[in-house]
Amino acid sequence: ETGVTQTPRHLVMGMTNKKSLKCEQHLGHNAMYWYKQSAKKPLELMFVYSLEERVENNSVPSRFSPECPNSSHLFLHLHTLQPEDSALYLCASSQEEGKQETQYFGPGTRLLVL
Amino acid sequence: RKEVEQDPGPFNVPEGATVAFNCTYSNSASQSFFWYRQDCRKEPKLLMSVYSSGNEDGRFTAQLNRASQYISLLIRDSKLSDSATYLCVVNGGASGGSYIPTFGRGTSLIVHP
Repeated sequence: ETGVTQTPRHLVMGMTNKKSLKCEQHLGHNAMYWYKQSAKKPLELMFVYSLEERVENNSVPSRFSPECPNSSHLFLHLHTLQPEDSALYLCASSQEEGKQETQYFGPGTRLLVL
Repeated sequence: RKEVEQDPGPFNVPEGATVAFNCTYSNSASQSFFWYRQDCRKEPKLLMSVYSSGNEDGRFTAQLNRASQYISLLIRDSKLSDSATYLCVVNGGASGGSYIPTFGRGTSLIVHP
């Protein structure tokens, strides 16, 4: 059973709404990630937090705003999204040490923007 | 050239067959390598890490070829339950940090009776 949980599991929102996705990891890891997975495309890394500091932002539009209040929680704040932002949003965590940093994924939030 | 490339397939094989997937990567400085499995409408889950010496886990064998910059996954005696998308993951990619992963597009495997 995964030690990474995500809520909500499904979300439908209009382009003018503001919503937040939540991720929580119970594995004692020190790095957390947000990914976007669209149909027929590879996983796109959006944000990486290591020790609660953001270390990677792959040119994600500002309508996506991450927040990492502590090493166990990660949020993705959404506002004025576009229909093309509809996708599966996956959270993952890992323990950043050595060379074999296995990622553990949450079940994802399936987002539909109308 | 894409950072991590996989043949999307699908690979359509009968039960009991042996099937192999390759994945090429462009950054010679990459440090760690993994195969993940993703079932339809589910999250990716680690299948196995890939070590320089190669490693085997039951019916699954993973190999790394640093000289040619590819990793492979061999599945023997395929089961219906092996049907899934297999994702190649390479760490230590373009951004340089050892924990920054780059995912391939995935290879779809369909095992039929």
